[in-house]
Amino acid sequence: DAMVIQNPRYQVTQFGKPVTLSCSQTLNHNVMYWYQQKSSQAPKLLFHYYDKDFNNEADTPDNFQSRRPNTSFCFLDIRSPGLGDAAMYLCAIGGKREEEFFGPGTRLTVL
Amino acid sequence: AQTVTQSQPEMSVQEAETVTLSCTYDTSENNYYLFWYKQPPSRQMILVIRQEAYKQQNATENRFSVNFQKAAKSFSLKISDSQLGDTAMYFCAFMKPRGAGSYQLTFGKGTKLSVIP
Repeated sequence: DAMVIQNPRYQVTQFGKPVTLSCSQTLNHNVMYWYQQKSSQAPKLLFHYYDKDFNNEADTPDNFQSRRPNTSFCFLDIRSPGLGDAAMYLCAIGGKREEEFFGPGTRLTVL
Repeated sequence: AQTVTQSQPEMSVQEAETVTLSCTYDTSENNYYLFWYKQPPSRQMILVIRQEAYKQQNATENRFSVNFQKAAKSFSLKISDSQLGDTAMYFCAFMKPRGAGSYQLTFGKGTKLSVIP
């Protein structure tokens, strides 16, 4: 059974048009993470939540925002996508042990 | 800050053979965890194996095992009896606690492994 679900799996948007990516989890874990992974690169952490506490990485652009309305759901909002924001966006949850479990990702294309 | 180095961008191995992927890391932390993740082409990132730094015994998961050398800050992954399904990008990752129940995961740049029939 899937633990981390990401929708949609593929998203196409236009330059400058806001887009929202969704992540949900079935395990009610406290910690949720958003990563950006560009082609042939390692994932890069954008931010994470511990419960409702939001933690932004220092080099995450202001163009990226996040919301966590409840334990199960977390959203990534890109306010004005640029061509450089085309990437795979990975959501992960913090497990009961010191592990992270990743969702399948959303591949974002910016036209 | 932690750094994770994977010095082999690409590797290949014959099916049924054994291959070792290298990883070194740099940290001043004493409490940390190490992982190998597998990411098949266009598919999900999957946890392969984990190692707690306080454990001397090397972790093993079926055909996957690690050689953890804490003093040398080395954490290599050995895949035995390689199978076609092992073809993937492999990421070495370092995790440290950052307080309040969350952790910081730092990835290496990855090693692309191809298993040849």
